[in-house]
Amino acid sequence: GIQVEQSPPDLILQEGANSTLRCNFSDSVNNLQWFHQNPWGQLINLFYIPSGTKQNGRLSATTVATERYSLLYISSSQTTDSGVYFCAVGTGGFKTIFGAGTRLFVKA
Amino acid sequence: DAGVIQSPRHEVTEMGQEVTLRCKPISGHDYLFWYRQTMMRGLELLIYFNNNVPIDDSGMPEDRFSAKMPNASFSTLKIQPSEPRDSAVYFCASSSSTGGSAFFGQGTRLTVV
Repeated sequence: GIQVEQSPPDLILQEGANSTLRCNFSDSVNNLQWFHQNPWGQLINLFYIPSGTKQNGRLSATTVATERYSLLYISSSQTTDSGVYFCAVGTGGFKTIFGAGTRLFVKA
Repeated sequence: DAGVIQSPRHEVTEMGQEVTLRCKPISGHDYLFWYRQTMMRGLELLIYFNNNVPIDDSGMPEDRFSAKMPNASFSTLKIQPSEPRDSAVYFCASSSSTGGSAFFGQGTRLTVV
């Protein structure tokens, strides 16, 4: 099956810093999503981005489907950005597979 | 819409007992997913439905696990008999075939002792 690799596995930032999270996938996908799991365990969808670039406030994402990767940019990080960021990809319909995540901690 | 609603939020049960987890998807969504999250294995897709029909159950770990979707607004995941290794957080999610992201419920934390 398709492999989803996220990097880095862990990231510590000082509040106000910028960061880039990466998601590589091993096969063609028909959908790609980014999620944030907050410290209380809630999974919140950030972007649905099978290709192209989207922005939402301090967050933006870019997917280059032909090269099988996606990037999530966090600018001016805040302590509330802490948690785990997941990339999830879909192949063959709506079967969606999650990566292992990037654990982010933002220090005040 | 209130979002995806799961119940119960927490469940503690003894090994060998039957456990039933419940999910109400977002109205109008035609896809429903059940995931399990553990520290060791991360987020695993167990099964998903389209228009109430199971499409792929290859992630269901054993015959002890079963899932149903009797109508568009309700699904259950049942474990019978439960074992300690089933302890995990179980998430339900729904999405629309017209595109867009999946929306997750708050999860059910299951502890089997």
